[in-house]
Amino acid sequence: NAGVTQTPKFQVLKTGQSMTLQCAQDMNHEYMSWYRQDPGMGLRLIHYSVGAGITDQGEVPNGYNVSRSTTEDFPLRLLSAAPSQTSVYFCASSYSGGPSTDTQYFGPGTRLTVL
Amino acid sequence: GEDVEQSLFLSVREGDSSVINCTYTDSSSTYLYWYKQEPGAGLQLLTYIFSNMDMKQDQRLTVLLNKKDKHLSLRIADTQTGDSAIYFCAEGGYSSASKIIFGSGTRLSIRP
Repeated sequence: NAGVTQTPKFQVLKTGQSMTLQCAQDMNHEYMSWYRQDPGMGLRLIHYSVGAGITDQGEVPNGYNVSRSTTEDFPLRLLSAAPSQTSVYFCASSYSGGPSTDTQYFGPGTRLTVL
Repeated sequence: GEDVEQSLFLSVREGDSSVINCTYTDSSSTYLYWYKQEPGAGLQLLTYIFSNMDMKQDQRLTVLLNKKDKHLSLRIADTQTGDSAIYFCAEGGYSSASKIIFGSGTRLSIRP
C-alpha cells in the first residue's frame, strides 16, 4: 500500500510552459484534492474531486485544470506556467466527504519553481 | 514564535453543549483546524475553517473564529459519550513537509 504518491518531486519551468503534476492513490479513496503551500499561507485548496468524473474548484483554481478519469489518479495541469505558481503542491485523498469530515492523507509534495 | 494554546480538560454532561477554546499567535495562518483523537487512534481531521471566514457549521459542530483576538472555538451540540476524546486545535498546513502547529489538546470527558 503506497498511499498517496506524487511525481515529480521537483520541477523547474519557464514562464509559459505547460506541465502536469501527477497524483495517484491506492487506497480506493473517493475524495482527492490538490493544495498549494506558500510561505506563511498554509495550504490552499486548488481543486478537488469527490469521485471519478466529478471535479470542482477550490479556493484558488485559476491557472489550473484537473480531471478525474479514474478513482486512482488526479492529475493537475498547468497550461501556461506563471511565476506566481511557484509553490509546493500537495495532493491529498480521503475516503469520503472532503476535508471537513474525513482524515486526508497527503502525498510528499511537488516543489515547483517557475522562472 | 508560533504557539497554539488550549485548556487541558473539559467535562460536560451528556446532552449539553461543549465549547473548546483555542488561541493562536500566527496571524498569517490560512487554515485553522480541529482534530479529534480517540483513545488508541490517530488524529482525525474534524473540521477546518479558512481564515477569511468567521463561522462554519457542520452538523453538530460549530467553529467560531475571532481573527482580531486570534481565538478559535469548537462547539459540539448535544454532546454524546462518543464525543469523548482529545481535541486538538492546529494552525497552518498539515503534512510532513509543511509546518503545522498543534495545541496540547483538550481532553473532553462526558458525565452521565
